[in-house]
Amino acid sequence: DTEVTQTPKHLVMGMTNKKSLKCEQHMGHRAMYWYKQKAKKPPELMFVYSYEKLSINESVPSRFSPECPNSSLLNLHLHALQPEDSALYLCASSQREGSSYNEQFFGPGTRLTVL
Amino acid sequence: AQSVTQLGSHVSVSEGALVLLRCNYSSSVPPYLFWYVQYPNQGLQLLLKYTSAATLVKGINGFEAEFKKSETSFHLTKPSAHMSDAAEYFCAVRGGGNTPLVFGKGTRLSVIA
Repeated sequence: DTEVTQTPKHLVMGMTNKKSLKCEQHMGHRAMYWYKQKAKKPPELMFVYSYEKLSINESVPSRFSPECPNSSLLNLHLHALQPEDSALYLCASSQREGSSYNEQFFGPGTRLTVL
Repeated sequence: AQSVTQLGSHVSVSEGALVLLRCNYSSSVPPYLFWYVQYPNQGLQLLLKYTSAATLVKGINGFEAEFKKSETSFHLTKPSAHMSDAAEYFCAVRGGGNTPLVFGKGTRLSVIA
């Protein structure tokens, strides 16, 4: 299984809502990533988890809260988002963070719209 | 620090013509280079990667790229474009250790029938 799955595929939420994005991989990868991608732009790194511990937080606002319950799962909890947070949220995984030639496998993304 | 520059935000080719997407990198250490493709409303898929084993790298869907240290380039080519190649293409670079993957701004490829 060489797939990263993400749910939901689409999400519409109000600014006062609390929602979560879910990412799952069963490739035995020990590094998992969250990216944010705006239209016609490259992905921007948000968080990196290595061996289930947060290793990189790219100064992301606290209204985004990541969680890695186990080595296969990665969640992104959303609270009090702003309309400018509307974007495609991509999850990725790699064998481990520290090996530079390990490619990242990306999920299909969650299209988030904040009203 | 590492960075990549993709020359041309939009490239348009005729079906059957050569595809050439340009990527130049900047790195203070030997780089690891990647090309990803993104189809509309989908995630990124790895086309190929350079890991210093060979300068000419062959990838999926008939794409290949050549690492040229003297030119700091890693251009992506395909001999004959197909309609299904229309997508966004991203060049990316990593340095050593735990440095994150750095993406270029992307090149949108259009294929004209």
